[in-house]
Amino acid sequence: SQKIEQNSEALNIQEGKTATLTCNYTNYSPAYLQWYRQDPGRGPVFLLLIRENEKEKRKERLKVTFDTTLKQSLFHITASQPADSATYLCALGGGSFSNDYKLSFGAGTTVTVRA
Amino acid sequence: GAGVSQSPSNKVTEKGKDVELRCDPISGHTALYWYRQSLGQGLEFLIYFQGNSAPDKSGLPSDRFSAERTGGSVSTLTIQRTQQEDSAVYLCASSLEGLAGARETQYFGPGTRLLVL
Repeated sequence: SQKIEQNSEALNIQEGKTATLTCNYTNYSPAYLQWYRQDPGRGPVFLLLIRENEKEKRKERLKVTFDTTLKQSLFHITASQPADSATYLCALGGGSFSNDYKLSFGAGTTVTVRA
Repeated sequence: GAGVSQSPSNKVTEKGKDVELRCDPISGHTALYWYRQSLGQGLEFLIYFQGNSAPDKSGLPSDRFSAERTGGSVSTLTIQRTQQEDSAVYLCASSLEGLAGARETQYFGPGTRLLVL
C-alpha cells in the first residue's frame, strides 16, 4: 500500500535560517504533489503544487523540489520568520493508483522558528 | 467571500450515541470532501462528492459512517453508534471542479473535534 513519510521529528530553527522538510513516498507514482500549512485548531491551507514533470517550484520564500526517481519532495522555507511556525503537510494525488481528486497526506512536520 | 464552515466546532458524545457533523462549502464549489485527522496521523480520505455524480465512499471506515450532500451544497457526515476510536478531527474541504486535481486547490474548513467518551 502507499506510504508517505515526513520528517518524523519537529524542526526547531533560528529566525533567518532555512528550514528544509522532506516528504518521501513508496509504492506510489503520483501525478502531482501539494504542500499545505496547518496552524493549531485550523484546517490546512494550500501553499504550493508541483507536477511530476516539474523539478522545482517557487513562491516567495518557499521552494519545493520533486524527484520522482528518489520518490522525494523537499520543501524549503528561506529567511524563516516566527510567523512561519506551523505544521506542514505534504499530499500526493493522481497517478496510477488514485483518482485525480483523491489526496494522500503525510502526517506533517511541525516547524518552530525561534526569534 | 466566506470560506468553508463546519459545525459544531467541538462535539463530546458518549459511546454508542449518533452524531451529525455539518459542512457548508464555498459557494459555487461543486466538489466536496470529508477527511479524518487523528492525532499524529495524516489526513484520511473519507468521501468525495462531485455535482450530481455518485459519491466516492471508498474511504468510509465502516457502515456506521454515512454522508449526504443536499442540493449540491451543504453536507452532513453521520456517525452511528460512536466508538472511542472515532475520536478525531473531521475536516471538510471544497474545490471548484473536483476533476484533474493537478489544477486545483482544496479549501479546508476549521474542522469538528469529536471526542467519544
